[in-house]
Amino acid sequence: GQQVMQIPQYQHVQEGEDFTTYCNSSTTLSNIQWYKQRPGGHPVFLIQLVKSGEVKKQKRLTFQFGEAKKNSSLHITATQTTDVGTYFCAGGGKLIFGQGTELSVKP
Amino acid sequence: EAQVTQNPRYLITVTGKKLTVTCSQNMNHEYMSWYRQDPGLGLRQIYYSMNVEVTDKGDVPEGYKVSRKEKRNFPLILESPSPNQTSLYFCASRTGTGGIYEQYFGPGTRLTVT
Repeated sequence: GQQVMQIPQYQHVQEGEDFTTYCNSSTTLSNIQWYKQRPGGHPVFLIQLVKSGEVKKQKRLTFQFGEAKKNSSLHITATQTTDVGTYFCAGGGKLIFGQGTELSVKP
Repeated sequence: EAQVTQNPRYLITVTGKKLTVTCSQNMNHEYMSWYRQDPGLGLRQIYYSMNVEVTDKGDVPEGYKVSRKEKRNFPLILESPSPNQTSLYFCASRTGTGGIYEQYFGPGTRLTVT
């Protein structure tokens, strides 16, 4: 069946460093969504990408959807301690979730 | 306030004792889902419902039941819980139309089966 793989599983950065998480699907996706889950919290929707090659920005966050609509990335510029949490991608009509990337930020 | 509520938030139970986790949303959403979250495995869908009286299996449905008698409620039933169902459970809802299928998640239910 459809699988969505996300790497890395963990990322530890110094505050101010950049961070990127990658999402890859075994099949073409109709759309990709990104969620953030703070420690002890629930996933919260960040964004949805639909078009091939689409790039969207939210302040320091940049989201990309690949040309083939099989991969996506989330890039955070100059991380802050408020960015701590687990970032999930989720794709397709059934919204298959990746395993998540847990980001920790050292002040 | 738009929200998804779940109860209970925490539950410790014993093997074989039937339990129900309730889920309710106040956004008139058609689509509701249940997920379980386990370390290293992300969120896996247990069951979903596209509308009242319409439910279907997700990726890990074994050992679970659901019902959708009303649009706002989507309870998760464990008829005979086992230790491998110890997990963090999330209910979620979204609209079925409009193009942006943002899912709203409940606060989670942490279940321990001994």
